[in-house]
Amino acid sequence: NAGVTQTPKFQVLKTGQSMTLQCAQDMNHEYMSWYRQDPGMGLRLIHYSVGAGITDQGEVPNGYNVSRSTTEDFPLRLLSAAPSQTSVYFCASSVSREVYEQYFGPGTRLTVT
Amino acid sequence: AQSVTQPDIHITVSEGASLELRCNYSYGATPYLFWYVQSPGQGLQLLLKYFSGDTLVQGIKGFEAEFKRSQSSFNLRKPSVHWSDAAEYFCAVGARTGTASKLTFGTGTRLQVTL
Repeated sequence: NAGVTQTPKFQVLKTGQSMTLQCAQDMNHEYMSWYRQDPGMGLRLIHYSVGAGITDQGEVPNGYNVSRSTTEDFPLRLLSAAPSQTSVYFCASSVSREVYEQYFGPGTRLTVT
Repeated sequence: AQSVTQPDIHITVSEGASLELRCNYSYGATPYLFWYVQSPGQGLQLLLKYFSGDTLVQGIKGFEAEFKRSQSSFNLRKPSVHWSDAAEYFCAVGARTGTASKLTFGTGTRLQVTL
């Protein structure tokens, strides 16, 4: 199993550009989530999904969209990038919504200039 | 709402010395508690978890943590640190929020190991 994979590893965007961060898992996990990590702030939940076709907002959802058309994939879309979205983004998954143990991907480092 | 405090931003220990990283949580019910480790440029790896039962839990890489309800703490310990333990460590509390479980993370403690 590859576990949780994320692409790209690094990305530089200009303000106003849009892009999609990809996340995939091959463990047949029901629950997937996106976090952003900023210095001194730990990880903050952006959006999460409890199954295909079901998504919900986390703590910091503004400026981001998600969809979950399959169990395996959970892409994160930045609609109009802003410098405040410069961060490291992590995707995570767990077996079900009832299980708190989450498996993390390697992260995407995004810089918005 | 739940919260996690890691009071030490940065800790330096000598290789072979013992280690204790502090974590305090705030949550109204019995918490689910976790410690994760993040090596530079990597994702987070689960070290150990506490759900219930024995308050001293063992994890990977020789780490252990003790749940103390009276102190709302879940401190991480290792008897003898290795240079490869240099990393950032995150404490997290799990809680049910809305339609699913949610992890709330502390701000992390960066561990430096001197030879």
